[in-house]
Amino acid sequence: AQSVAQPEDQVNVAEGNPLTVKCTYSVSGNPYLFWYVQYPNRGLQFLLKYITGDNLVKGSYGFEAEFNKSQTSFHLKKPSALVSDSALYFCAVTLQTGANNLFFGTGTRLTVIP
Amino acid sequence: NAGVTQTPKFRILKIGQSMTLQCTQDMNHNYMYWYRQDPGMGLKLIYYSVGAGITDKGEVPNGYNVSRSTTEDFPLRLELAAPSQTSVYFCASRRLTGTYEQYFGPGTRLTVT
Repeated sequence: AQSVAQPEDQVNVAEGNPLTVKCTYSVSGNPYLFWYVQYPNRGLQFLLKYITGDNLVKGSYGFEAEFNKSQTSFHLKKPSALVSDSALYFCAVTLQTGANNLFFGTGTRLTVIP
Repeated sequence: NAGVTQTPKFRILKIGQSMTLQCTQDMNHNYMYWYRQDPGMGLKLIYYSVGAGITDKGEVPNGYNVSRSTTEDFPLRLELAAPSQTSVYFCASRRLTGTYEQYFGPGTRLTVT
């Protein structure tokens, strides 16, 4: 069965500093991996994905993530945090076969401190 | 370009009442999904559909029903509402092939008292 772990419920970072939001996954096969962001009272917005190819993927708003197969991780990163990045971030995984249903982590709340 | 729309935004139900949550997408996506989001939890899949006339259960289908008569619409029916169904409900859709990211609606906040 597929599962996703986001070990930190909350991450605080100062504006201008680099940020990392951690994600590890468990699947019985080759994964597709995703990051979504949720602002208050809004639906989830797609940030980036890893399907195949280069392990470093770039997405919206300057975010990037690195797929590490040996560590089964897909950490989200940004070189310089903005106050407007404060939101709830979800990592999700699906298999490359089957119905491709997404399995979500429990989310990490990012707070960027001015 | 509206994307995925959901109605209503908010609803309060009494125990035992029924309601339908509406979801419509205008992107001609084959796949559609219903999730619930409980506080401190990730999203859990309730039902999904791979096209008109085809639906299947997700992780937490009990207490819900769906139908898919058109490509655009994927309503979620709650029969005999229970307090455990208090949650935020999200509808999502994606293309059949090519890319796998799902596009989400703004959600329906449901309270059952």
